[in-house]
Amino acid sequence: GENVEQHPSTLSVQEGDSAVIKCTYSDSASNYFPWYKQELGKRPQLIIDIRSNVGEKKDQRIAVTLNKTAKHFSLHITETQPEDSAVYFCAATPDNYGQNFVFGPGTRLSVLP
Amino acid sequence: DTEVTQTPKHLVMGMTNKKSLKCEQHMGHRAMYWYKQKAKKPPELMFVYSYEKLSINESVPSRFSPECPNSSLLNLHLHALQPEDSALYLCASSQGGLTTDTQYFGPGTRLTVL
Repeated sequence: GENVEQHPSTLSVQEGDSAVIKCTYSDSASNYFPWYKQELGKRPQLIIDIRSNVGEKKDQRIAVTLNKTAKHFSLHITETQPEDSAVYFCAATPDNYGQNFVFGPGTRLSVLP
Repeated sequence: DTEVTQTPKHLVMGMTNKKSLKCEQHMGHRAMYWYKQKAKKPPELMFVYSYEKLSINESVPSRFSPECPNSSLLNLHLHALQPEDSALYLCASSQGGLTTDTQYFGPGTRLTVL
C-alpha cells in the first residue's frame, strides 16, 4: 500500500522567513495530495492541495510543488507569521475515489517572533 | 452550512460501557469517514461510507461499530473498549463520486477509556 514520509519532523523559523516541508510517497498511482494544518486541540484544516496533472499551485503565502517522477511534493510558506505555528500533515491517495488518504507523520512548525 | 459537527466533544467511559459518537454534515456530501488520532500522530483511517454503504473498513476491531443512518449522519458505536482506544476520534466528509476530492474534518471527540 501507499507509504508517505515527511521531513523534517520539527522546524523552527524566524518570523518573516520561509519554511519548506517535503513529503515523499511510494505509490505512483497516487493522484491527489492535500496539505492539512492542525493547531493544538483543533481539527485538521485543508490549506492547499494539488492534483497529479499540475506541477505547482499557489495561494497567497502558501505554495505546493509536485514532482511525479521523483514522487515527492513540498509545501512552501513564505513570510511566516506566528499564527503559522502548528502541525502540518501531507497526504496522498492512490484511490481513484479519493477516499483512502494516507497521511505523513507530520511536521511541527514553530515560528519565532 | 459548511461544517462537519461532532458530539460529544469529550467522552469518558469505562471498559464495560456502551456509548456512541455522532457526526453530522449538511453540505450534501456523500462520503463520510471515521479517523482515530493518537497524540502527536497523524489521523488513521478507520471506516469509509460512500452513498450510505460501508466501502472501507481498515481492519478495525469489532468493538467499534459504524452506522450511517442517512447521507447526513454518521455514528460510531463503542462497546467494551480498551484503555489504548483513548484518542481523538475525527469524522470527515467529502463530496464522493468518481473523482478525488477534499475531505473536511469535524472538531473531533476526545475519548478517554478508564
